[in-house]
Amino acid sequence: EIVLTQSPGTLSLSPGERATLSCRASQIFSSSYLAWYQQKPGQAPRLLIYGASSRAAGTPDRFSGSGSGTDFTLTISRLEPEDLAVYYCQRYGSSSLTFGGGTKVEIK
Amino acid sequence: EVQLVESGGGLVRPGGSLRLSCAASGFTFSSYTMNWVRQAPGKGLEWVSSITSDDSYIYYADSVKGRFTISRDNARNSLYLQMNSLRAEDTAVYYCARGSYSSGWLLDYWGQGTLVTVSS
Repeated sequence: EIVLTQSPGTLSLSPGERATLSCRASQIFSSSYLAWYQQKPGQAPRLLIYGASSRAAGTPDRFSGSGSGTDFTLTISRLEPEDLAVYYCQRYGSSSLTFGGGTKVEIK
Repeated sequence: EVQLVESGGGLVRPGGSLRLSCAASGFTFSSYTMNWVRQAPGKGLEWVSSITSDDSYIYYADSVKGRFTISRDNARNSLYLQMNSLRAEDTAVYYCARGSYSSGWLLDYWGQGTLVTVSS
């Protein structure tokens, strides 16, 4: 079973700064099957990125995804106050789903 | 507009049972894989179960296998999760999520969740 490890656990940045979130897999898998979700406080998760780098409908272009093999990254180019959330990576495309533990983004 | 509305959560004693429902609207329910994902209080997301559009394939996380049963009624646009032999560690918000058309495992719409509390 592939395990996804996200780091850091918490990221505290000021508005306008760049946020870099990491998702590392315990085994290589196709980047076609890596997604990122955003969960704002008190809300359900929302799909942000799929296929490692494709934005879902409604995802602002300040969000970008990259990576391959075992290392994947979600970048928020210029943080906005509304980006306060927990971000989860997810492997999909097999007979099960795997989520990472999440990275909490705090706005200073 | 795609809508997923969960119901059926509540307080149940250890060893008890509960049936969750998810009412879907705004899309052709019978064409999509559907999923249940849960989130324990203050914790991350955990996949629970998935069912393909025509019931042909059903999958469970090891943590619920043999205790939970996923099902769907395409005529009623509804998804269900029958939960038996409930344990304290099953306490969580349970989300119903639609699998995308390209991959049933990519969760493109989520409901707001229903809270299940297992406690004596």
